[in-house]
Amino acid sequence: GDSVTQMEGPVTLSEEAFLTINCTYTATGYPSLFWYVQYPGEGLQLLLKATKADDKGSNKGFEATYRKETTSFHLEKGSVQVSDSAVYFCALNNAGNMLTFGGGTRLMVKP
Amino acid sequence: NAGVTQTPKFRVLKTGQSMTLLCAQDMNHEYMYWYRQDPGMGLRLIHYSVGEGTTAKGEVPDGYNVSRLKKQNFLLGLESAAPSQTSVYFCASRTSATYEQYFGPGTRLTVT
Repeated sequence: GDSVTQMEGPVTLSEEAFLTINCTYTATGYPSLFWYVQYPGEGLQLLLKATKADDKGSNKGFEATYRKETTSFHLEKGSVQVSDSAVYFCALNNAGNMLTFGGGTRLMVKP
Repeated sequence: NAGVTQTPKFRVLKTGQSMTLLCAQDMNHEYMYWYRQDPGMGLRLIHYSVGEGTTAKGEVPDGYNVSRLKKQNFLLGLESAAPSQTSVYFCASRTSATYEQYFGPGTRLTVT
């Protein structure tokens, strides 16, 4: 079946550092890929998405590129802020009714 | 436009008690979902619905029941609560046109 694997956290960075959170997936066909963010005490919010190979999703300075050849969708940001501290979830939908989520990666940004 | 709302926000139950969690969405979405989130385990799908009057089992349906009598509402019921059901419960919805889901703020349930 489909699966999503994210790097283990927590990831701790200083403000203005470069962020990468790795995400790889296993799925047949051409799934749609998503990054969700969960701020403390809140529900998940869609951060960005990509629906086909080589698409780049971007939002709020975050980017991720759909790489079919490496089955990856790594999240990047050039300069993180304290306000980016949250849990980040990678997810896929393979033309079905359900999203398959990774386990989540906690990001902590220190001033 | 409130999006997805959940009631209540917090609840404490004793083992064996029953309760219903309400999810409401005002976006006219066809699909609705109930997840539970436990520490270190990400989100797991409990039940979902593809339209009014329909429901289907997800990954972890045991101990829960659901109903979708109105398009905008999706109810999650616990008939006899157990400590293993202590969790944060999230509702989500989406249209049939895209796969992205919109989440509610969550309900924190503790079963003692």
